[in-house]
Amino acid sequence: DAGVIQSPRHEVTEMGQEVTLRCKPISGHNSLFWYRQTMMRGLELLIYFNNNVPIDDSGMPEDRFSAKMPNASFSTLKIQPSEPRDSAVYFCASSTRTGGDTDTQYFGPGTRLTVL
Amino acid sequence: GESVGLHLPTLSVQEGDNSIINCAYSNSASDYFIWYKQESGKGPQFIIDIRSNMDKRQGQRVTVLLNKTVKHLSLQIAATQPGDSAVYFCAENITPGNQFYFGTGTSLTVIP
Repeated sequence: DAGVIQSPRHEVTEMGQEVTLRCKPISGHNSLFWYRQTMMRGLELLIYFNNNVPIDDSGMPEDRFSAKMPNASFSTLKIQPSEPRDSAVYFCASSTRTGGDTDTQYFGPGTRLTVL
Repeated sequence: GESVGLHLPTLSVQEGDNSIINCAYSNSASDYFIWYKQESGKGPQFIIDIRSNMDKRQGQRVTVLLNKTVKHLSLQIAATQPGDSAVYFCAENITPGNQFYFGTGTSLTVIP
């Protein structure tokens, strides 16, 4: 089992540049989550998808952030334009909904983003 | 000026001793809980979960206890090993919602 795959693992960019983070969820999982982790705020949920449809994006900090899930095996999180305060580790997680129960979320290794 | 970050509770234990990590959750309606382990440079890793119809659940070397009365969760690690050194998070959820709310974490250091 490959687990959740994220790329790139590290990204260093300059303020104002566009950044695209990528995620491949575990095969067969139908829910996907984007989180951000910082020392200041801990682990925060940004957005999640069920069956490729965005369900709750209330955690997205502002309009500079956008996320898409064009199919069941791929999602992107884009920041345009990036700012130094966006520097963080971004995690993608996936899970599978079976019946009425919530299921465990499995996390990817994260992308460490540094905006200079 | 200095930046103010989260101050993680820390726990240091001797190798071979048992560890107990505590978590107070916020929502009395939460009915599903997970403990995650996060090693430096890695994503959170699932350890064990428990639903609110149980008070205790055991895994390999780990036990989770749930006290709904006081909204308290604990993770017990038996015979702690150096590889157990990590930050441990509890996460709470209200079924059937997909959102998990994570605690700030506890940093466990195992002294060889």
